[in-house]
Amino acid sequence: KAGVTQTPRYLIKTRGQQVTLSCSPISGHRSVSWYQQTPGQGLQFLFEYFSETQRNKGNFPGRFSGRQFSNSRSEMNVSTLELGDSALYLCASSLLGLAGYNEQFFGPGTRLTVL
Amino acid sequence: AQTVTQSQPEMSVQEAETVTLSCTYDTSESDYYLFWYKQPPSRQMILVIRQEAYKQQNATENRFSVNFQKAAKSFSLKISDSQLGDAAMYFCAYRSAGRGTYKYIFGTGTRLKVLA
Repeated sequence: KAGVTQTPRYLIKTRGQQVTLSCSPISGHRSVSWYQQTPGQGLQFLFEYFSETQRNKGNFPGRFSGRQFSNSRSEMNVSTLELGDSALYLCASSLLGLAGYNEQFFGPGTRLTVL
Repeated sequence: AQTVTQSQPEMSVQEAETVTLSCTYDTSESDYYLFWYKQPPSRQMILVIRQEAYKQQNATENRFSVNFQKAAKSFSLKISDSQLGDAAMYFCAYRSAGRGTYKYIFGTGTRLKVLA
């Protein structure tokens, strides 16, 4: 089985722009979660999508949004980019979602640099 | 609010020796899950071990075991017979057990170096 894939792997944007990141989960997995990893803040949970519905959300501003498609692929969008949005964005998939006791499988991440 | 603290930014261990990584957390909930994740350099994060708070027995996965002290809110990871491939960033994580809104919080990580 193919693992979790994320595209693009690297991205450079300037302040004020918007960006869309993509995540394809493991086949059959219905849950996709997104995380932001920075040296200063560490690893922070952004949100989880399950069966096209946002199931839970971390403490991030409304500039961070996401969606999930019927094939479970997910996209994350960040609008009006700020320098502090520079980070490694990880997505993870799980079979039944985080609400249960389910293992997550992480993708390699998208490294976003905001100039 | 729940918090997770990893007080050791970096640890070193000699190959074949044992090392313990510390994690403490704070919560007012009685039911939750605790995890240790491993993030090798330039490689994907993987789950090492998990513990349900209602289980008194400490979880074990091969060379990895935890010492879960619920009253003390402590969740340390012991790696026995350390191998070069164990070198990585290790994150402790807490997740509340609710099926609706839940909290998922990570510690700041401990970088483990394994010396040959």
